[in-house]
Amino acid sequence: KAGVTQTPRYLIKTRGQQVTLSCSPISGHRSVSWYQQTPGQGLQFLFEYFSETQRNKGNFPGRFSGRQFSNSRSEMNVSTLELGDSALYLCASSVGQQYGYTFGSGTRLTVV
Amino acid sequence: GENVEQHPSTLSVQEGDSAVIKCTYSDSASNYFPWYKQELGKGPQLIIDIRSNVGEKKDQRIAVTLNKTAKHFSLHITETQPEDSAVYFCAASRANFNKFYFGSGTKLNVKP
Repeated sequence: KAGVTQTPRYLIKTRGQQVTLSCSPISGHRSVSWYQQTPGQGLQFLFEYFSETQRNKGNFPGRFSGRQFSNSRSEMNVSTLELGDSALYLCASSVGQQYGYTFGSGTRLTVV
Repeated sequence: GENVEQHPSTLSVQEGDSAVIKCTYSDSASNYFPWYKQELGKGPQLIIDIRSNVGEKKDQRIAVTLNKTAKHFSLHITETQPEDSAVYFCAASRANFNKFYFGSGTKLNVKP
C-alpha cells in the first residue's frame, strides 16, 4: 500500500514569506500529526488532526498552523518565516491514538 | 510535560555484536513506548513498540524492555548487521493522547 506522501520534498524560502506543506496519509488513517526535526531540538510535536479537527497541539507560535480535509489529507502553513524555521518537517499518520506512526520522508525547508 | 532522555548519542559496534540503547521518561502517566529507525534522507520508521502492561517484547533480532518502576526502557539489537546503521529514536506517549515525546536519538554505526 502507498505510504505517507509529503510534497514538496525541498523548499527554499525567504525570511518573511509564508509556506504551505502538504501531506497525504495512508489510506484509512484518520490521524495526521506534524513534527519539526532539527539537529539542535530533535523531533518536536507541532499538532495532530483527526477527522478535520485539531486534537493536540505542541508549543509552537501561532505562525504555525494546519488543517485537515475530509479525505484526511493535511496541510501545514508557516507564516512570516524566520531563519530558525529551517528544518525537516515530517508528517505522520496512524489508525488511531497510541498506535505507531507511519512517517513520510519529510519536507526540507530552508529559510534564507 | 514529558521529558525523554536517550543514551548514548552515538554507538559503534562490530558486526555481529549486540547494541543496547536506553531511554528514561519522566511522566508516570506515559504508557506507550515506540522505537523508530531513521536512515539518511528518510522519515523515521517504526521498528518495535511496547505498552506499559508488558515488560518485554521481541521481534526477531530486536527486543524492547520496559521497567515502569524505574521509568526506563531499552532497545536491544542482537547480531547487528551493517544495514542496522542508522539513527534510532525512542518515544513516549500518554493514554488517549496521540502526541509523542521523542528522545534525542542514537546514531548506531555497525562496522563490517
